[in-house]
Amino acid sequence: DAEITQSPRHKITETGRQVTLACHQTWNHNNMFWYRQDLGHGLRLIHYSYGVQDTNKGEVSDGYSVSRSNTEDLPLTLESAASSQTSVYFCASSDPGGYGYTFGSGTRLTVV
Amino acid sequence: AQTVTQSQPEMSVQEAETVTLSCTYDTSESDYYLFWYKQPPSRQMILVIRQEAYKQQNATENRFSVNFQKAAKSFSLKISDSQLGDAAMYFCAYNTNAGKSTFGDGTTLTVKP
Repeated sequence: DAEITQSPRHKITETGRQVTLACHQTWNHNNMFWYRQDLGHGLRLIHYSYGVQDTNKGEVSDGYSVSRSNTEDLPLTLESAASSQTSVYFCASSDPGGYGYTFGSGTRLTVV
Repeated sequence: AQTVTQSQPEMSVQEAETVTLSCTYDTSESDYYLFWYKQPPSRQMILVIRQEAYKQQNATENRFSVNFQKAAKSFSLKISDSQLGDAAMYFCAYNTNAGKSTFGDGTTLTVKP
């Protein structure tokens, strides 16, 4: 069965360290997205990609980067982790054309 | 920019009763899509229902149905015969053909036995 997986599920890191969160999907979806979920803010878009070599900034992209070298993967990198980046991170994928998202199970990141 | 507003941070319902969750949105587009997602305590986000703006007929999925009022930019979710497993946070979302979604802040639904 097709799936979308995120790893790790939980991570604790120190301020200033570089961190990479993995997202891998086998749905063959062109669209992939990274969101962060914080209490009182719902889900906010960090970065997204509509295909290989395509990446775009979302509303809260400062301090984050992504790259898309194949259809399956969209890793999210925190260049220098800050306490304000403590959050739950969700990866999602979809077909173009207004279809709903398939979500990964999320990564809870704590920056200490 | 599109915005999605869920004005009810928390709602509760008695088991077997009906509850309606509200959502309003703001857009200048005429062609778009609306969604409700469920997030139970497991944290997994699950697509509940999808509505295409050009369709006048309200979407229905088993006990879940929507009331889509395009002119009022309103998109409410009705859950009939509520079950304990319906307890979750529910998110309303909007997107266009481009694909990226804007989410509301969520409504936490409690189901009382």
